[in-house]
Amino acid sequence: SQQGEEDPQALSIQEGENATMNCSYKTSINNLQWYRQNSGRGLVHLILIRSNEREKHSGRLRVTLDTSKKSSSLLITASRAADTASYFCATKRDSNYQLIWGAGTKLIIKP
Amino acid sequence: NAGVTQTPKFRVLKTGQSMTLLCAQDMNHEYMYWYRQDPGMGLRLIHYSVGEGTTAKGEVPDGYNVSRLKKQNFLLGLESAAPSQTSVYFCASSSGPPPNEQFFGPGTRLTVL
Repeated sequence: SQQGEEDPQALSIQEGENATMNCSYKTSINNLQWYRQNSGRGLVHLILIRSNEREKHSGRLRVTLDTSKKSSSLLITASRAADTASYFCATKRDSNYQLIWGAGTKLIIKP
Repeated sequence: NAGVTQTPKFRVLKTGQSMTLLCAQDMNHEYMYWYRQDPGMGLRLIHYSVGEGTTAKGEVPDGYNVSRLKKQNFLLGLESAAPSQTSVYFCASSSGPPPNEQFFGPGTRLTVL
């Protein structure tokens, strides 16, 4: 079953613009992670936000978490061509070794 | 450090054939995972291991078997391949259970005809 659902499915913006992706989930969570996948490659961890955090920053990345709306957003500021990739959110249920992954947002940065 | 490596990178099988995918990690991680990725879907966990000699079923284990005889290796086997197993397979490892960061291999693209 899919816990996280990213929105939009695809996003195309000009280099230098900001990109915002959203993730919604169904059940209560302890934390939420974002991963990036470049075409034909494995996933790379970007950032983790815990349920008691509302916002977290890492370089040009800003993640927010709204547990009342069961949603998270990933903002990439001043986008670069190298940011072209698919972005996935993943959540973990309370007592489980498994991560539940969304279907991803495909981001294209146009030069 | 090579991180997580997977062999082979590509494979084409006929229905009913068997094969083994090998995952190796050099980070001394206890936890290892096998996922499949299908178009328009998120990763789905097939099997995972919390340490040498242990394995457990994930979300979609049917048709697959795994073994973790050595800490650094995690093997995924398909005994009788079916077209529904056409997918990209990713191996990952982590130092602890989720939400510890998972490190992914480059993937194996498998086509079953």
